Amino acid sequence: QVQLQESGPGLVKPSETLSLTCNVSGGSISSYYWSWIRQPPGKGLEWIGYIYSSGSTNYNPSLKSRVTISVDRSKNQFSLKLSSVTAADTAVYYCARDITGFDCWGQGTLVTVSS
Amino acid sequence: QSALTQPASVSGSPGQSITISCTGTSSDVGAYNYVSWYQQHPGKAPKLMIYDVSNRPSGVSNRFSGSKSGNTASLTISGLQAEDEADYYCSSYTSSSTVVFGGGTKLTVL
Repeated sequence: QVQLQESGPGLVKPSETLSLTCNVSGGSISSYYWSWIRQPPGKGLEWIGYIYSSGSTNYNPSLKSRVTISVDRSKNQFSLKLSSVTAADTAVYYCARDITGFDCWGQGTLVTVSS
Repeated sequence: QSALTQPASVSGSPGQSITISCTGTSSDVGAYNYVSWYQQHPGKAPKLMIYDVSNRPSGVSNRFSGSKSGNTASLTISGLQAEDEADYYCSSYTSSSTVVFGGGTKLTVL
């Protein structure tokens, strides 16, 4: 059974870059789409973007200028970088597998943007 | 891209049926049969309940069903149970090959 686990700093300073990694275990990262999704405290879900195992990507237009998602097939993991963060980027960040629906999710990691 | 429109809240008594709507446009919900529904309990990650408009993943109760008409998708929960109380989100693929979520609906079991 595939399991996902997010990791990265829980606190990021304004204007800096948020960096998270999602480790995929129990299955191969190949031949699937993998997404990052976030949820500000008390609010709804927002899709950030996805990467296919080959490396092709697509991003939420509202975040596109600040987002980079990459994949490391040798480590069976994919990563998120969000630049120039502000307090509005404070959220629980989830990684998920996408098979015409997000069928497998990480537990989520809270990232707070604050000085 | 604009978020899909869901009612902020719905409620029902145990044993009853409820329906949650999810309205989009001809560029997302109306364009493809790639609508999904998620259940989220407080402090937990979302759980996939319906994919491709009306398909249930293995292990999801058949009390949950999905449908679509035009630009509006719907999730119906029959035989409402206390453990169904949660937030529900719809999502859809778009003509730009992106994904958009609904704003979420809080289900209260009275």
